Amino acid sequence: GALVYQYPRRTICKSGTSMRMECQAVGFQATSVAWYRQSPQKTFELIALSTVNSAIKYEQNFTQEKFPISHPNLSFSSMTVLNAYLEDRGLYLCGAREQGKTLYFGSGTRLTVL
Amino acid sequence: AQSVTQPDARVTVSEGASLQLRCKYSSSVTPYLFWYVQYPRQGLQLLLKYYSGDPVVQGVNGFEAEFSKSNSSFHLRKASVHWSDSAVYFCAVSPVTGNTRKLIFGLGTTLQVQP
Repeated sequence: GALVYQYPRRTICKSGTSMRMECQAVGFQATSVAWYRQSPQKTFELIALSTVNSAIKYEQNFTQEKFPISHPNLSFSSMTVLNAYLEDRGLYLCGAREQGKTLYFGSGTRLTVL
Repeated sequence: AQSVTQPDARVTVSEGASLQLRCKYSSSVTPYLFWYVQYPRQGLQLLLKYYSGDPVVQGVNGFEAEFSKSNSSFHLRKASVHWSDSAVYFCAVSPVTGNTRKLIFGLGTTLQVQP
């Protein structure tokens, strides 16, 4: 079946440092990957959409300079949170899909910033 | 711009009772509609989706949802809940044109099933 793995499941970083999270699609070709964030007491916000061989599209309030994303092939994507601060804490979800098919989400990476 | 409203932040029901979680959307064109569930300490799992056709769609674990164009709603229902259904439920929409891959989520409804 189709699965999306995210790691690490949890991570803690000091304020001002950076952390990288990864997303792996198994059982299908992840032609597009979406990164979402769920901040405490809030719903999920789209950070960016990435399609293999196309430019990554960031939503308003999110930038490549702060959340650089790599999507080098049809099974892997990573996102880094640069210079993390308290407002960056939350659950980061990766959603991946094969073109025209169902979107699958991973279990998320929970980021705590000290 | 599209938006999703889940008017009930929290719903408590007894095990075996029926359930309805409400969802209303705002959009100039009927969007694609989804319900997701988030179990404790986990990501999102798709319960069901509506693209077109029969307004009542069946999902996993006995859930169903009914689309109403006149009410701009997509309420989730279950005839008899189980304690394991306790979770946070999110209604979401995505546009049918333009950026169809973007999901817009409601704030979620926390369901607590009491024994």
